[in-house]
Amino acid sequence: AQSVTQLDSQVPVFEEAPVELRCNYSSSVSVYLFWYVQYPNQGLQLLLKYLSGSTLVKGINGFEAEFNKSQTSFHLRKPSVHISDTAEYFCAVTQGAQKLVFGQGTRLTINP
Amino acid sequence: DAGVIQSPRHEVTEMGQEVTLRCKPISGHDYLFWYRQTMMRGLELLIYFNNNVPIDDSGMPEDRFSAKMPNASFSTLKIQPSEPRDSAVYFCASSLRRGLGGYTFGSGTRLTVV
Repeated sequence: AQSVTQLDSQVPVFEEAPVELRCNYSSSVSVYLFWYVQYPNQGLQLLLKYLSGSTLVKGINGFEAEFNKSQTSFHLRKPSVHISDTAEYFCAVTQGAQKLVFGQGTRLTINP
Repeated sequence: DAGVIQSPRHEVTEMGQEVTLRCKPISGHDYLFWYRQTMMRGLELLIYFNNNVPIDDSGMPEDRFSAKMPNASFSTLKIQPSEPRDSAVYFCASSLRRGLGGYTFGSGTRLTVV
């Protein structure tokens, strides 16, 4: 069975600093990977996805993620964060079946 | 497109009452998902539909929960009778192409059972 582990439940960073949110998955077959963002009192919004091809994926709001098959990771990065990036971030995986499996989420807090 | 529309946004009800949550998916999307989000358990998939047919309801907690999709533009999630432990945010999401393009989530219904 597939599963997703987000290694940090909370990540505090200062504004304009770089950030990396870590995600590891377990699956014995090829997977498709996603990052979603949830702003307070809102639903989840797709940030980026990896289906195939280049392992470096660029998404909205300046975020990018790199798929690493050997390390079964899909870490999310941004070189310089803004106050508006404060939110909860979810990594998700599917094997091409219809349902996504989500990680527990990482709460990103940006301090001025 | 207005996105996935859920109603109501907030619901407060007394234990034992029936609660009905509603969802209108994006037009043309053929998959619909119901999720529940709590602090303790995170995001849990309750049930999903393909072309209005329930495919997997293994996440439905117990018989008090039921979901229907009478047509392509409407789905309901019903809890009867409701209990305080059902308090959570319930999200509906829809997708096309087996979700590989990503899911579109609604804004959720915050349910409080007192």
